Amino acid sequence: QQQVKQSPQSLIVQKGGISIINCAYENTAFDYFPWYQQFPGKGPALLIAIRPDVSEKKEGRFTISFNKSAKQFSLHIMDSQPGDSATYFCAASRDNAGNMLTFGGGTRLMVKP
Amino acid sequence: DSGVTQTPKHLITATGQRVTLRCSPRSGDLSVYWYQQSLDQGLQFLIQYYNGEERAKGNILERFSAQQFPDLHSELNLSSLELGDSALYFCASSPQQGSRGELFFGEGSRLTVL
Repeated sequence: QQQVKQSPQSLIVQKGGISIINCAYENTAFDYFPWYQQFPGKGPALLIAIRPDVSEKKEGRFTISFNKSAKQFSLHIMDSQPGDSATYFCAASRDNAGNMLTFGGGTRLMVKP
Repeated sequence: DSGVTQTPKHLITATGQRVTLRCSPRSGDLSVYWYQQSLDQGLQFLIQYYNGEERAKGNILERFSAQQFPDLHSELNLSSLELGDSALYFCASSPQQGSRGELFFGEGSRLTVL
């Protein structure tokens, strides 16, 4: 019930292309869905987050799309750049669990110049 | 720089040994979280402390224990180490227990058990 499934495990995109990472969750009690970005040798850092009362949130080139009925959400990176090359984690949390995050397995993104 | 400090950055030890990982949260943050990151299991939540008290427990083995001290730093103790304990251990902090804001992660402690 706590699992968050993420796909693909790895992704190669050409510079300027769109990177799409998908996540699915099982626990309908989840009500906060952040995405974290991790560069090699660093800890994860919050990229963007969404609550289920909206279907989309955009910050610059990064967009989260949320489908509550399907229990799925995705990260779109528009105009992908080599500097976006990193591992991306989706996550979810419940209101009564404070900030305890359940993470997906991660997607290693490589953006080729 | 997230403001969360973890030591040591790297640690190599043998099976059966015990190690202690240390975390200093961001100034003013009361909550500390420990996560284990391994290649095949992603980021797994281990345990959370809030202002010195344990608040949530995840997939933490009985051989592992943690505590948060009055100055809010936290330590994760790993004992009777096995090869499978080799992983990156992350500490994260956040300002308050119920906050739905972000977690601030340290750079991790890489443990290698030989």
